[in-house]
Amino acid sequence: EAGVTQFPSHSVIEKGQTVTLRCDPISGHDNLYWYRRVMGKEIKFLLHFVKESKQDESGMPNNRFLAERTGGTYSTLKVQPAELEDSGVYFCASSQDLGLWQFFGPGTRLTVL
Amino acid sequence: DQQVKQNSPSLSVQEGRISILNCDYTNSMFDYFLWYKKYPAEGPTFLISISSIKDKNEDGRFTVFLNKSAKHLSLHIVPSQPGDSAVYFCAASKGSGANNLFFGTGTRLTVIP
Repeated sequence: EAGVTQFPSHSVIEKGQTVTLRCDPISGHDNLYWYRRVMGKEIKFLLHFVKESKQDESGMPNNRFLAERTGGTYSTLKVQPAELEDSGVYFCASSQDLGLWQFFGPGTRLTVL
Repeated sequence: DQQVKQNSPSLSVQEGRISILNCDYTNSMFDYFLWYKKYPAEGPTFLISISSIKDKNEDGRFTVFLNKSAKHLSLHIVPSQPGDSAVYFCAASKGSGANNLFFGTGTRLTVIP
């Protein structure tokens, strides 16, 4: 069974540009989560989808971030326009049931110059 | 405001000896705690967990201890092996059905052969 996959693995963009990160959860997992780790800091929750619905987006930093999960399968996280402080590693996780048994992807390292 | 803290960014241990990783939390609403292990270029993988109704949980070489009154937990690895070298994240949750994990900043463990 394939794990959670994320694309791209790395992205380097300039301030003001737009970047879209993609996450493919484990097949059959209705719950999908986005987290972010800024350099040297803790991994922070961004938001949670159940199928295509946003259940909790309390961790989204501001309205420059837009997450979607059309069709309830893969998810995208768009940052527009990107700022320097958006640099970090963005992790996606999925779970079959709501709760703690979240399987994490390898992350996308975003660098904003 | 960081609610889960790992005050040691790194730890080096000789192979065969015990590794002790520490974690403190501030929110008394947390009642489920997890340890994740992360290798470079990979996502965090679940290692072991403990509910607040217990003070100890053991799984092979890994034991987690919880001291609720001190709001402190620790992960013991005995004996330590070179393959244990990784970054270890402590995480907490308000209930096993919660969607949101609160992570610490991680401790990099190096096991010296």
